[in-house]
Amino acid sequence: EPEVTQTPSHQVTQMGQEVILRCVPISNHLYFYWYRQILGQKVEFLVSFYNNEISEKSEIFDDQFSVERPDGSNFTLKIRSTKLEDSAMYFCASRGPVPANTGELFFGEGSRLTVL
Amino acid sequence: GENVEQHPSTLSVQEGDSAVIKCTYSDSASNYFPWYKQELGKRPQLIIDIRSNVGEKKDQRIAVTLNKTAKHFSLHITETQPEDSAVYFCAASVTGNQFYFGTGTSLTVIP
Repeated sequence: EPEVTQTPSHQVTQMGQEVILRCVPISNHLYFYWYRQILGQKVEFLVSFYNNEISEKSEIFDDQFSVERPDGSNFTLKIRSTKLEDSAMYFCASRGPVPANTGELFFGEGSRLTVL
Repeated sequence: GENVEQHPSTLSVQEGDSAVIKCTYSDSASNYFPWYKQELGKRPQLIIDIRSNVGEKKDQRIAVTLNKTAKHFSLHITETQPEDSAVYFCAASVTGNQFYFGTGTSLTVIP
């Protein structure tokens, strides 16, 4: 069964450093997402991406964050200058070529980011 | 934006009993309501979903009900088993693009 894969599984970084989290969505999917989950809290939407551009983003997704799909298979989340509060599990998800308002989100296993 | 509230935050049941988790949403335009199960240290996975043109949906021991007027939906698990122990998240979607998740319910099934 196809899966969304994420790397790294865990990254520890110093405050102020740049971090890139990588995701390989399911190959025939068209919609891509990043979510984060601070320990013990809800899954929070960051950004959605469709047709090579951001389609929606939340208030969390400020200028420190950016996303790219550099080569047609990878989908990356970059945090330019990490803060302590960026420590969380970051989930990538993808959704198939279905009409809006339907469709299962397939999540990756997550990348745990620890900012020291 | 949409606000999804989920209750209870923790739930313990004896094996074989039923478990009910409830969610409310604020945006009457929301029309897709999935439920995800997240086992410890693993990714969230869809277990059941319901669309706004349907009031109830069942899949073996799992059922979801939707009350559009009251803007709430519930997950029902019958004949619970230890492997049902996990965190369950409800979600609501307006555009099908941004999914708003509840705060999660940690379900423990006691053998």
